[in-house]
Amino acid sequence: DAGITQSPRHKVTETGTPVTLRCHQTENHRYMYWYRQDPGHGLRLIHYSYGVKDTDKGEVSDGYSVSRSKTEDFLLTLESATSSQTSVYFCAISESLAGGLTNYEQYFGPGTRLTVT
Amino acid sequence: GQQLNQSPQSMFIQEGEDVSMNCTSSSIFNTWLWYKQEPGEGPVLLIALYKAGELTSNGRLTAQFGITRKDSFLNISASIPSDVGIYFCAGYEGAQKLVFGQGTRLTINP
Repeated sequence: DAGITQSPRHKVTETGTPVTLRCHQTENHRYMYWYRQDPGHGLRLIHYSYGVKDTDKGEVSDGYSVSRSKTEDFLLTLESATSSQTSVYFCAISESLAGGLTNYEQYFGPGTRLTVT
Repeated sequence: GQQLNQSPQSMFIQEGEDVSMNCTSSSIFNTWLWYKQEPGEGPVLLIALYKAGELTSNGRLTAQFGITRKDSFLNISASIPSDVGIYFCAGYEGAQKLVFGQGTRLTINP
């Protein structure tokens, strides 16, 4: 158990509203990631963070922003949700600052199911 | 971006049978990861491979990193009902950017 929680676990929102998803980790891991999972597309990287205030874009970053103001929290924001952003969102972590996990093994949270109506 | 071709897309087998699935890419990968996902949960890491030709086991699971570095396979021996789920391969496209295959859905008839 890599100590990852995601909140909320389920959310229904209307088109055009802002939405923020939270990923929280308890084990001081350096890297955190946001993915979305859709039928026929598998898991695709949205954004990732390699430290506090250090982030980079992934494959499908349009329409999403992220923030990491402290090691344990990585936030994903949809500024104005669209129906195409209906998906299951997963957070993942890799590399513990205190050693242990390697830089290459990513461990996933339980997911957030987001529906945009 | 890079795409991984994972096959087969689905498998229907009898309990006790062995299972084999593979993943191929058009580019060289330095790391291959295999995950299993069950309904309503996040993917769980099964095996990580770091060297071409590497063969690694985890219980009844065995995975190999292809010598060309463009493919990997996962075998499950003597399948049991709890092996049901979707299996994903993944490889790194550049630092920190993990690319996933489409998944192999495994169904087991008791």
